[in-house]
Amino acid sequence: DARVTQTPRHKVTEMGQEVTMRCQPILGHNTVFWYRQTMMQGLELLAYFRNRAPLDDSGMPKDRFSAEMPDATLATLKIQPSEPRDSAVYFCASGLRRDTEAFFGQGTRLTVV
Amino acid sequence: AQSVAQPEDQVNVAEGNPLTVKCTYSVSGNPYLFWYVQYPNRGLQFLLKYITGDNLVKGSYGFEAEFNKSQTSFHLKKPSALVSDSALYFCAVRVSFSGGYNKLIFGAGTRLAVHP
Repeated sequence: DARVTQTPRHKVTEMGQEVTMRCQPILGHNTVFWYRQTMMQGLELLAYFRNRAPLDDSGMPKDRFSAEMPDATLATLKIQPSEPRDSAVYFCASGLRRDTEAFFGQGTRLTVV
Repeated sequence: AQSVAQPEDQVNVAEGNPLTVKCTYSVSGNPYLFWYVQYPNRGLQFLLKYITGDNLVKGSYGFEAEFNKSQTSFHLKKPSALVSDSALYFCAVRVSFSGGYNKLIFGAGTRLAVHP
């Protein structure tokens, strides 16, 4: 049963610490999205990769956030330094063509205290 | 601007009654439209999509959606609601940008509450 895997599922960290979230897309999918979900803002698109190349990260605060795909099986989202306002659920999704659905991971619930 | 709107924050319906969750969109060109459902502490699950063809699309768990081009709407429907349908529902549209890439943009979500 193919699925998108995200780790960790939960993370509590102190303000100022570095946080790294990982995502394993479904094998063969060439598109990866990172979303952030909060009560106030809903689902925000942070970054978008196709064939491992970052095509759009305009939704991501550049000063502290970075997203990479070291290889086709791993996408990472890093926050350094973390702040309490970064507390949210971060979702990774993968897909293929524009006319196909994206599949979501279970999310990483981040709490910055 | 290309966007998708869900005008209702919450929809309440009695079990056994039909339900409708509304979605309208604004995109240039032909829209690729999707509905997702999110249960508590879970990721989003795909329900159905409209790409082309019949305006009435059938999906998972008995849900269907009707694409209406003139009204730029893609409302989610189910003939008979179940308590287990209570969840957060998201409408999304895939939009294309210059440079050959595209985004999946979500509405704000509608919370469906089905009462016994």
